[in-house]
Amino acid sequence: DGGITQSPKYLFRKEGQNVTLSCEQNLNHDAMYWYRQDPGQGLRLIYYSQIVNDFQKGDIAEGYSVSREKKESFPLTVTSAQKNPTAFYLCASSIQQGVWETQYFGPGTRLLVL
Amino acid sequence: AQKITQTQPGMFVQEKEAVTLDCTYDTSDPSYGLFWYKQPSSGEMIFLIYQGSYDQQNATEGRYSLNFQKARKSANLVISASQLGDSAMYFCAMREGANAGGTSYGKLTFGQGTILTVHP
Repeated sequence: DGGITQSPKYLFRKEGQNVTLSCEQNLNHDAMYWYRQDPGQGLRLIYYSQIVNDFQKGDIAEGYSVSREKKESFPLTVTSAQKNPTAFYLCASSIQQGVWETQYFGPGTRLLVL
Repeated sequence: AQKITQTQPGMFVQEKEAVTLDCTYDTSDPSYGLFWYKQPSSGEMIFLIYQGSYDQQNATEGRYSLNFQKARKSANLVISASQLGDSAMYFCAMREGANAGGTSYGKLTFGQGTILTVHP
Protein backbone atom coordinates (compact mmCIF):
# COMPACT_ATOMS: atom_id res chain seq x y z
CA ASP A 1 0.00 0.00 0.00
CA GLY A 2 1.18 3.52 -0.73
CA GLY A 3 1.62 5.91 2.13
CA ILE A 4 3.80 7.88 4.47
CA THR A 5 5.47 6.16 7.39
CA GLN A 6 7.10 7.76 10.38
CA SER A 7 9.20 6.07 13.00
CA PRO A 8 9.40 5.70 15.85
CA LYS A 9 5.92 6.42 17.16
CA TYR A 10 7.38 7.58 20.49
CA LEU A 11 10.91 8.88 21.06
CA PHE A 12 12.64 9.88 24.26
CA ARG A 13 15.55 12.28 24.30
CA LYS A 14 18.04 12.92 27.04
CA GLU A 15 19.49 16.36 27.67
CA GLY A 16 22.22 17.22 25.18
CA GLN A 17 21.36 14.37 22.85
CA ASN A 18 20.64 14.53 19.13
CA VAL A 19 17.80 12.34 17.88
CA THR A 20 16.62 11.56 14.37
CA LEU A 21 13.03 11.08 13.28
CA SER A 22 12.39 9.01 10.19
CA CYS A 23 9.95 9.83 7.39
CA GLU A 24 9.52 7.65 4.31
CA GLN A 25 6.99 7.83 1.49
CA ASN A 26 6.32 5.52 -1.44
CA LEU A 27 3.84 7.79 -3.17
CA ASN A 28 6.42 9.18 -5.61
CA HIS A 29 5.70 12.65 -4.25
CA ASP A 30 8.18 15.38 -5.06
CA ALA A 31 7.95 17.60 -1.99
CA MET A 32 8.26 16.65 1.67
CA TYR A 33 7.70 18.65 4.84
CA TRP A 34 8.27 18.58 8.59
CA TYR A 35 5.84 20.25 10.97
CA ARG A 36 5.79 20.60 14.72
CA GLN A 37 2.59 20.58 16.77
CA ASP A 38 2.43 21.68 20.40
CA PRO A 39 -0.53 20.70 22.61
CA GLY A 40 -3.75 22.44 21.61
CA GLN A 41 -2.03 24.26 18.76
CA GLY A 42 -1.91 24.18 15.01
CA LEU A 43 1.10 23.00 13.02
CA ARG A 44 4.21 25.05 12.36
CA LEU A 45 6.62 24.37 9.51
CA ILE A 46 10.19 23.37 10.37
CA TYR A 47 11.73 22.48 6.98
CA TYR A 48 10.59 21.48 3.54
CA SER A 49 12.18 20.02 0.44
CA GLN A 50 10.97 20.27 -3.14
CA ILE A 51 13.59 18.03 -4.73
CA VAL A 52 16.42 15.72 -3.75
CA ASN A 53 19.46 17.45 -2.24
CA ASP A 54 17.58 20.69 -1.73
CA PHE A 55 15.62 21.98 1.25
CA GLN A 56 14.41 25.26 2.74
CA LYS A 57 13.91 26.50 6.27
CA GLY A 58 10.43 27.02 7.56
CA ASP A 59 9.27 29.24 10.39
CA ILE A 60 10.96 27.39 13.26
CA ALA A 61 14.10 25.76 11.81
CA GLU A 62 16.46 26.67 14.66
CA GLY A 63 17.71 23.58 16.48
CA TYR A 64 16.69 21.21 13.68
CA SER A 65 18.44 19.79 10.63
CA VAL A 66 17.30 17.72 7.66
CA SER A 67 18.66 15.88 4.64
CA ARG A 68 17.09 14.74 1.37
CA GLU A 69 19.40 12.21 -0.24
CA LYS A 70 16.57 10.14 -1.70
CA LYS A 71 13.18 11.16 -3.03
CA GLU A 72 11.48 8.73 -0.64
CA SER A 73 13.17 9.84 2.56
CA PHE A 74 13.33 13.08 4.57
CA PRO A 75 14.77 12.49 8.07
CA LEU A 76 14.64 15.20 10.72
CA THR A 77 17.33 15.57 13.37
CA VAL A 78 16.45 17.35 16.59
CA THR A 79 19.73 18.70 17.89
CA SER A 80 20.77 19.61 21.41
CA ALA A 81 20.38 23.25 20.36
CA GLN A 82 16.60 22.80 20.37
CA LYS A 83 15.83 23.71 23.95
CA ASN A 84 12.16 22.76 23.98
CA PRO A 85 11.83 19.73 21.73
CA THR A 86 8.86 18.07 23.42
CA ALA A 87 6.14 18.06 20.75
CA PHE A 88 4.32 16.00 18.15
CA TYR A 89 6.19 15.92 14.83
CA LEU A 90 4.35 15.37 11.58
CA CYS A 91 5.87 14.65 8.21
CA ALA A 92 4.00 15.34 5.00
CA SER A 93 4.52 14.89 1.31
CA SER A 94 2.75 16.49 -1.59
CA ILE A 95 2.17 16.34 -5.28
CA GLN A 96 0.76 18.90 -7.67
CA GLN A 97 -2.89 18.26 -8.44
CA GLY A 98 -4.19 20.88 -10.82
CA VAL A 99 -3.36 24.35 -9.54
CA TRP A 100 -2.68 23.34 -5.97
CA GLU A 101 -0.43 20.86 -4.30
CA THR A 102 -2.13 18.86 -1.58
CA GLN A 103 -0.15 17.78 1.44
CA TYR A 104 -0.71 14.34 2.93
CA PHE A 105 0.52 13.50 6.39
CA GLY A 106 2.13 10.57 8.14
CA PRO A 107 1.00 9.25 11.54
CA GLY A 108 3.47 11.40 13.52
CA THR A 109 6.17 10.92 16.15
CA ARG A 110 5.82 12.08 19.75
CA LEU A 111 9.12 13.32 21.17
CA LEU A 112 9.55 13.55 24.92
CA VAL A 113 12.51 14.85 26.88
CA LEU A 114 13.68 12.79 29.85
CA ALA B 1 -1.66 39.27 12.79
CA GLN B 2 -3.13 35.79 12.60
CA LYS B 3 -3.37 34.54 9.04
CA ILE B 4 -5.90 31.84 9.90
CA THR B 5 -8.44 32.32 12.68
CA GLN B 6 -10.71 29.61 14.01
CA THR B 7 -12.83 31.28 16.67
CA GLN B 8 -14.61 28.16 17.97
CA PRO B 9 -12.39 26.21 20.38
CA GLY B 10 -15.06 23.53 20.68
CA MET B 11 -18.32 22.60 18.98
CA PHE B 12 -21.01 20.07 19.83
CA VAL B 13 -23.47 18.52 17.41
CA GLN B 14 -26.11 15.84 17.56
CA GLU B 15 -25.57 12.79 15.40
CA LYS B 16 -27.15 13.14 11.93
CA GLU B 17 -27.30 16.92 12.14
CA ALA B 18 -25.22 19.38 10.14
CA VAL B 19 -22.49 21.52 11.68
CA THR B 20 -20.48 24.50 10.46
CA LEU B 21 -16.90 25.10 11.57
CA ASP B 22 -15.72 28.67 11.07
CA CYS B 23 -12.50 29.82 9.47
CA THR B 24 -11.43 33.33 8.50
CA TYR B 25 -8.17 34.16 6.79
CA ASP B 26 -5.98 37.12 6.08
CA THR B 27 -3.87 37.51 2.97
CA SER B 28 -3.04 40.15 0.39
CA ASP B 29 -2.05 37.51 -2.15
CA PRO B 30 -4.69 37.18 -4.90
CA SER B 31 -3.78 33.52 -5.41
CA TYR B 32 -4.22 31.17 -2.48
CA GLY B 33 -5.67 27.85 -1.47
CA LEU B 34 -7.68 26.97 1.59
CA PHE B 35 -7.58 23.48 3.09
CA TRP B 36 -9.37 21.62 5.85
CA TYR B 37 -7.84 18.73 7.77
CA LYS B 38 -9.25 16.39 10.38
CA GLN B 39 -7.09 15.19 13.25
CA PRO B 40 -8.56 12.33 15.30
CA SER B 41 -7.15 11.40 18.68
CA SER B 42 -4.58 9.16 16.98
CA GLY B 43 -2.84 12.31 15.74
CA GLU B 44 -2.74 11.74 12.01
CA MET B 45 -3.82 14.69 9.86
CA ILE B 46 -6.42 13.66 7.29
CA PHE B 47 -6.99 15.89 4.26
CA LEU B 48 -10.69 16.66 3.73
CA ILE B 49 -11.25 19.38 1.16
CA TYR B 50 -9.70 22.41 -0.49
CA GLN B 51 -10.81 25.58 -2.26
CA GLY B 52 -8.75 27.71 -4.61
CA SER B 53 -9.13 31.48 -4.54
CA TYR B 54 -10.13 31.56 -8.19
CA ASP B 55 -12.61 28.71 -7.96
CA GLN B 56 -16.09 29.94 -8.85
CA GLN B 57 -18.03 27.25 -7.04
CA ASN B 58 -17.82 26.03 -3.47
CA ALA B 59 -15.91 22.79 -3.11
CA THR B 60 -17.72 19.62 -2.04
CA GLU B 61 -16.40 16.18 -1.09
CA GLY B 62 -19.07 13.76 0.04
CA ARG B 63 -20.49 15.03 3.34
CA TYR B 64 -18.00 17.91 3.44
CA SER B 65 -18.56 21.23 1.74
CA LEU B 66 -16.69 24.48 1.96
CA ASN B 67 -18.71 27.69 2.25
CA PHE B 68 -16.30 30.10 0.58
CA GLN B 69 -17.10 33.81 0.94
CA LYS B 70 -14.18 35.61 -0.67
CA ALA B 71 -15.25 39.15 0.17
CA ARG B 72 -15.58 38.22 3.83
CA LYS B 73 -12.39 36.14 3.72
CA SER B 74 -14.11 33.17 5.23
CA ALA B 75 -13.92 29.48 4.35
CA ASN B 76 -16.24 27.61 6.66
CA LEU B 77 -16.42 23.81 6.66
CA VAL B 78 -19.90 22.31 6.63
CA ILE B 79 -20.31 18.70 7.66
CA SER B 80 -23.71 17.27 6.81
CA ALA B 81 -25.31 14.31 8.59
CA SER B 82 -22.72 14.15 11.38
CA GLN B 83 -21.46 10.76 12.47
CA LEU B 84 -19.87 9.67 15.74
CA GLY B 85 -16.63 9.12 13.83
CA ASP B 86 -16.53 12.81 12.94
CA SER B 87 -15.50 13.65 16.50
CA ALA B 88 -12.00 15.09 16.12
CA MET B 89 -9.98 18.28 15.91
CA TYR B 90 -10.46 20.18 12.65
CA PHE B 91 -7.87 22.54 11.20
CA CYS B 92 -8.22 25.19 8.54
CA ALA B 93 -5.03 25.98 6.62
CA MET B 94 -3.94 28.33 3.86
CA ARG B 95 -1.36 28.12 1.12
CA GLU B 96 -0.38 31.44 -0.45
CA GLY B 97 1.18 32.35 -3.75
CA ALA B 98 0.79 29.36 -6.05
CA ASN B 99 1.02 30.12 -9.73
CA ALA B 100 -1.77 28.68 -11.86
CA GLY B 101 -0.41 25.98 -14.11
CA GLY B 102 3.00 25.96 -12.49
CA THR B 103 4.55 23.88 -9.80
CA SER B 104 4.85 25.71 -6.57
CA TYR B 105 5.38 24.19 -3.16
CA GLY B 106 5.50 25.70 0.24
CA LYS B 107 4.11 25.82 3.70
CA LEU B 108 0.59 25.58 4.94
CA THR B 109 -0.34 28.09 7.63
CA PHE B 110 -2.66 26.46 10.14
CA GLY B 111 -5.29 27.83 12.48
CA GLN B 112 -5.57 26.80 16.12
CA GLY B 113 -8.22 24.20 15.41
CA THR B 114 -11.75 23.41 16.56
CA ILE B 115 -12.63 20.33 18.58
CA LEU B 116 -15.84 18.78 17.29
CA THR B 117 -17.80 16.40 19.49
CA VAL B 118 -20.66 14.45 17.99
CA HIS B 119 -23.27 13.24 20.49
CA PRO B 120 -25.42 10.14 19.86
